[in-house]
Amino acid sequence: DGGITQSPKYLFRKEGQNVTLSCEQNLNHDAMYWYRQDPGQGLRLIYYSQIVNDFQKGDIAEGYSVSREKKESFPLTVTSAQKNPTAFYLCASSILAATYEQYFGPGTRLTVT
Amino acid sequence: ILNVEQSPQSLHVQEGDSTNFTCSFPSSNFYALHWYRWETAKSPEALFVMTLNGDEKKKGRISATLNTKEGYSYLYIKGSQPEDSATYLCASNNAGNMLTFGGGTRLMVKP
Repeated sequence: DGGITQSPKYLFRKEGQNVTLSCEQNLNHDAMYWYRQDPGQGLRLIYYSQIVNDFQKGDIAEGYSVSREKKESFPLTVTSAQKNPTAFYLCASSILAATYEQYFGPGTRLTVT
Repeated sequence: ILNVEQSPQSLHVQEGDSTNFTCSFPSSNFYALHWYRWETAKSPEALFVMTLNGDEKKKGRISATLNTKEGYSYLYIKGSQPEDSATYLCASNNAGNMLTFGGGTRLMVKP
């Protein structure tokens, strides 16, 4: 089945540790995105990538890093510099066109204590 | 950062009621307006993508309209059912491939 997968579904980390969230797609989409959702707020864009080996900061990139070594994969690292890392993280992919919808993964809920 | 606003934030309706909610977005450099449905424990799924002023789209009991000149879109649900319970997100694309999402409207339909 074509789709986008994220793992794990739930992730727990101690404060001060870096953690990497996985995102894989087999839709052959050029563009991939990472969003963060906090309670009562909409999705906010962390990073996006439109082509392999290239990515751009979104609205809230501080404390995060990404890589795009393969078209199918766009892992997100939440670093210890991120002040409020506990959140729900969604990965998405799309064709490179404004009129095409984004396809979302199931999300990863990260809890940092 | 663009401002995309949705109202109301949450809505409780009775099964069979029709309902509607609003998304307002910047009208400058507008490319497209997206609506997504996000059910609990699932991924957000695209409902509609609209680009032209006056666009109307329909999928079953759900329809949407678009006014790009004044920067708003309405989502209508006719005869709400419990399975319509979800958070409805709108997102605006203003120049480029990036979407700016609103905060969502959480709809709860009581049987």
